[in-house]
Amino acid sequence: AQTVTQSQPEMSVQEAETVTLSCTYDTSESDYYLFWYKQPPSRQMILVIRQEAYKQQNATENRFSVNFQKAAKSFSLKISDSQLGDAAMYFCAYRSAGRMDSNYQLIWGAGTKLIIKP
Amino acid sequence: DSGVTQTPKHLITATGQRVTLRCSPRSGDLSVYWYQQSLDQGLQFLIQYYNGEERAKGNILERFSAQQFPDLHSELNLSSLELGDSALYFCASSVDPKGQETQYFGPGTRLLVL
Repeated sequence: AQTVTQSQPEMSVQEAETVTLSCTYDTSESDYYLFWYKQPPSRQMILVIRQEAYKQQNATENRFSVNFQKAAKSFSLKISDSQLGDAAMYFCAYRSAGRMDSNYQLIWGAGTKLIIKP
Repeated sequence: DSGVTQTPKHLITATGQRVTLRCSPRSGDLSVYWYQQSLDQGLQFLIQYYNGEERAKGNILERFSAQQFPDLHSELNLSSLELGDSALYFCASSVDPKGQETQYFGPGTRLLVL
């Protein structure tokens, strides 16, 4: 079974600085997707970024980028120029792909609480 | 706004009762997923429907059931409620059954069982 591990329960960063959130996963599959979701105090679950495992190029979305290391099964999120609105819980998630008999649920890490210091 | 709607936003009920949570997926999305987020167990997948049919089951209790209707909205029924069922229940939708498209989440229904 696949597992996702976020080893940092809480991280803090000064506004305008850069922070990296860690995520590792375990799977025997070669084809899958990885996601970072953000959950602000409103509790809404918001997609931040998505990475397809078959793509070597790291995904980027404005100030958000990932460092995807497939061999190491590592998927970290880098937030540049941190803003107060980035304060939230960040969840790393894994999903299988490519097999019709697979269960396409998201498998979640425990989350990292990101605090932005003004 | 993800385009996924969930009602009600908050629900307070007593142990032993039954409640129904409703979800409307984004326009054009055929797959609906239900997740439970609780303090002690984190986020867990409950069940998936695609175009009216159950597609996959996760850690869903026998006291819980769901269905997806012809108009593609979905309902999650929770019965014989226990204190431990208090949680945030999310619905997500995607356009295809294989989940190759991203799942977009609704705002959630916060259930409190007293």
